[in-house]
Amino acid sequence: GQLVESGGGLVQPGGSLRLSCAASGFTFSDYEMHWVRQVTGKGLEWVSAVGRAGDTYYAGSVKGRFTTSRENAKNSLYLQMTSLRVGDTAVYYCVREETTSSAGGFDIWGQGTMVTVSS
Amino acid sequence: QSVLTQPPSVSGAPGQRVTISCTGSSSNIGAGYDIHWYQQVLGTAPKLLIYGNNNRPSGVPDRFSGSKSGTSASLAISGLQFEDEADYYCQSYDSSLSGRVFGGGTKLTVL
Repeated sequence: GQLVESGGGLVQPGGSLRLSCAASGFTFSDYEMHWVRQVTGKGLEWVSAVGRAGDTYYAGSVKGRFTTSRENAKNSLYLQMTSLRVGDTAVYYCVREETTSSAGGFDIWGQGTMVTVSS
Repeated sequence: QSVLTQPPSVSGAPGQRVTISCTGSSSNIGAGYDIHWYQQVLGTAPKLLIYGNNNRPSGVPDRFSGSKSGTSASLAISGLQFEDEADYYCQSYDSSLSGRVFGGGTKLTVL
């Protein structure tokens, strides 16, 4: 399987950006999908998840500002980011969760897309 | 401050064995949620190394092993090789936060 993110770029504080993730090589609708971000030189931070039924979950740092969604017919995952802050600057990874347990590991990662929030 | 605590760095000589600890609490590891480990080589995306506490995905050498006890978990790497030099992260689910959590990461240096 493969995941390919797109949509990153430079945006001003307070602005919006929509990331997309195209999945291939597996049955997209069978998996819970996540977004994970990483500030350059820092650790990994879980951002959000969307379940197979479309249920969504968010980290406290982005709740109310970011919206995750999926479109199974297009094998696509999205992250709508609003009210962006300088602290949201990071590489954003699209990630698939494996299904051996209710909170499985992230077994497929995209290459990441860079989001820079700066004036 | 990460919910899961890892040492910032560990090191070892080629052929040696090293362990990386991951300490959590009663709302994550101690609650029985699985621990997963990732390896991230500089400039690349993370790679799943261990899932479900002690399972290796296809292609991961058996030099890598995981364990879990109480509110802590460990990743062991035996027969260290220069190619093992990378950052390693543990990850689980936290019921208090209702979300996934990562450790702060551990940089492994092969001397």
